[in-house]
Amino acid sequence: QKEVEQNSGPLSVPEGAIASLNCTYSDRVSQSFFWYRQYSGKSPELIMSIYSNGDKEDGRFTAQLNKASQYVSLLIRDSQPSDSATYLCAGKYNNNDMRFGAGTRLTVKP
Amino acid sequence: DVKVTQSSRYLVKRTGEKVFLECVQDMDHENMFWYRQDPGLGLRLIYFSYDVKMKEKGDIPEGYSVSREKKERFSLILESASTNQTSMYLCASSFRDRGSYEQYFGPGTRLTVT
Repeated sequence: QKEVEQNSGPLSVPEGAIASLNCTYSDRVSQSFFWYRQYSGKSPELIMSIYSNGDKEDGRFTAQLNKASQYVSLLIRDSQPSDSATYLCAGKYNNNDMRFGAGTRLTVKP
Repeated sequence: DVKVTQSSRYLVKRTGEKVFLECVQDMDHENMFWYRQDPGLGLRLIYFSYDVKMKEKGDIPEGYSVSREKKERFSLILESASTNQTSMYLCASSFRDRGSYEQYFGPGTRLTVT
């Protein structure tokens, strides 16, 4: 089992809809999680981090962590074409490193 | 603003050549990382370093080595490049043990081995 698994998609939503991105993790990944956005041809950039069980909101983005189910999600409300990108889920692995999922490609159609 | 820079954006090398990829960060981060990114496989950790002269193997260290002689600089070395090492290489850095684990990435080096 991979440490962090994502549904690779692709995921397509209409403009203005809610996009839901999901990620599961193994016992070897500890309780700090991150969502990165990567535009085509660019490097990943951090958009959300979540350390505690529950929801964390930042503008149109909400990260959700469910430790009992070992599940992390990212909701994007009012999706815009500029949100079209690959979204990478990552979890803290050992003291100093991190493991990434394979990424989910999101397309928001005008 | 955190800045992580990589020595080249694009690189073309021949099979068997020794290849050096260099990464520099200006945020005084203790941790530095080298990943490769391939379609469908996501980011895979090659090596990381948590201090000067220290290194740890990641998931796919075979065929690679690293060097960290200064805190701000982390080099990835392909001793004898092979075609299966054609990939996007990403460097990242982060603080260590400060309760913040976010990694900041450089722009990437697209390496082609022919």
